[in-house]
Amino acid sequence: QVLLQVSGPRLVRPAQTLSLTCTLSGGSFSRGGYYWTWIRQHPGKGLEWLGYISYSGTTYYNPSLNGRLSISVDSSENSFSLRLTSVTGADTALYYCARGQGSGIRQWFDPWGQGTQVTVSS
Amino acid sequence: SSDLTQPPSVSVSPGQTASITCSGTDLDKKNVYWYHQRPGQSPILVIYQDNQRPTGIPERITGSKSGSTATLTISGTQTMEEGDYFCQTWDTTSLIFGGGTKLTVL
Repeated sequence: QVLLQVSGPRLVRPAQTLSLTCTLSGGSFSRGGYYWTWIRQHPGKGLEWLGYISYSGTTYYNPSLNGRLSISVDSSENSFSLRLTSVTGADTALYYCARGQGSGIRQWFDPWGQGTQVTVSS
Repeated sequence: SSDLTQPPSVSVSPGQTASITCSGTDLDKKNVYWYHQRPGQSPILVIYQDNQRPTGIPERITGSKSGSTATLTISGTQTMEEGDYFCQTWDTTSLIFGGGTKLTVL
């Protein structure tokens, strides 16, 4: 059974960089066909897809993030990471990692990690 | 970008049928996926590719689509099915989610 666990700081200062790591257990990045994805949920419900890195290393990001996001894989640690630069209060959210299946942006997410609350505040 | 519209809330009595709709532009040309999120928990996939159930999802939960509206139907609704339901698809540049529907079983 594939499990995803998010880790990283819960509090980030405005204008700084938010960094989170998602560690995979019960699976391997070397097994192709999946998209390793970050999604966030703002207070009050809404889900926002942030971006993914594919099994081949291709990345694709939500254009609304205006180039602030990067996602990378560390196969030796069986993990993938998110870096979101120049954060503001609008980046305060519950951050999830998930495994995507499908093709490109035509994908669905299963399973999801447990989510971690990140607050942007001075 | 396109939007996906869901009703904010749906109520159903235990054992009855709940239907949650999701409307969007060109939805007839795209696949729709559905997730269930219980309070304080991560979403779980309940329907993929319009009407396919992942392993472990009961047959009482079905997905369908007609024109630009997708529907998630839960027959014989149980209290364990309370929570938020989100639909998801894609537009030209991004993956998108509906705003979510809170299902109350009472």
